Amino acid sequence: IAGITQAPTSQILAAGRRMTLRCTQDMRHNAMYWYRQDLGLGLRLIHYSNTAGTTGKGEVPDGYSVSRANTDDFPLTLASAVPSQTSVYFCASRKTGGLNTEAFFGQGTRLTVV
Amino acid sequence: DQQVKQNSPSLSVQEGRISILNCDYTNSMFDYFLWYKKYPAEGPTFLISISSIKDKNEDGRFTVFLNKSAKHLSLHIVPSQPGDSAVYFCAAVGSNYKLTFGKGTLLNVNP
Repeated sequence: IAGITQAPTSQILAAGRRMTLRCTQDMRHNAMYWYRQDLGLGLRLIHYSNTAGTTGKGEVPDGYSVSRANTDDFPLTLASAVPSQTSVYFCASRKTGGLNTEAFFGQGTRLTVV
Repeated sequence: DQQVKQNSPSLSVQEGRISILNCDYTNSMFDYFLWYKKYPAEGPTFLISISSIKDKNEDGRFTVFLNKSAKHLSLHIVPSQPGDSAVYFCAAVGSNYKLTFGKGTLLNVNP
């Protein structure tokens, strides 16, 4: 693994089903983020984590949950998917701790809820 | 309420000319600003950044200007090339480390 990896790359999901989007980074970045990208709405922050063991809500957290059990992994769970959660999801990580640095993004997960 | 605003959904420029993409923000606590470029079916990639203690940062053809009093930043691309055609996102970071993005501007550079 080099950088940040998301899985799966795409998924078609029946409404009401549970789904976990995976995100793993090997850069030892302390901060991680989940965004959804929708046409005309840009990148909207769902949840974030500044360090392992802590998480925070972004702009559009409803219907999503996250956990940060360790530095490398930041899974995003849809407990009961709805069609409005059809989107492209991006995970990102960033080194902070007093430094201003850029965030690195995964390639995205295209999710369709039917 | 949107804290990072990119009011131009799209911009069309001739190859070789200057592209100017604009971004406004409302949160005075933002202290670090970034520009990202995104091609279809790919993740956003970092382009250039600027700290709030500076008013200009340059990297090759890309220059970012920050006007703190106006809460405005802009990205200049000179000269523009067809490969620059992409969606450009402005982003900002505050003391809580949240990374907030604008809606993006689609740049089209015509050959």
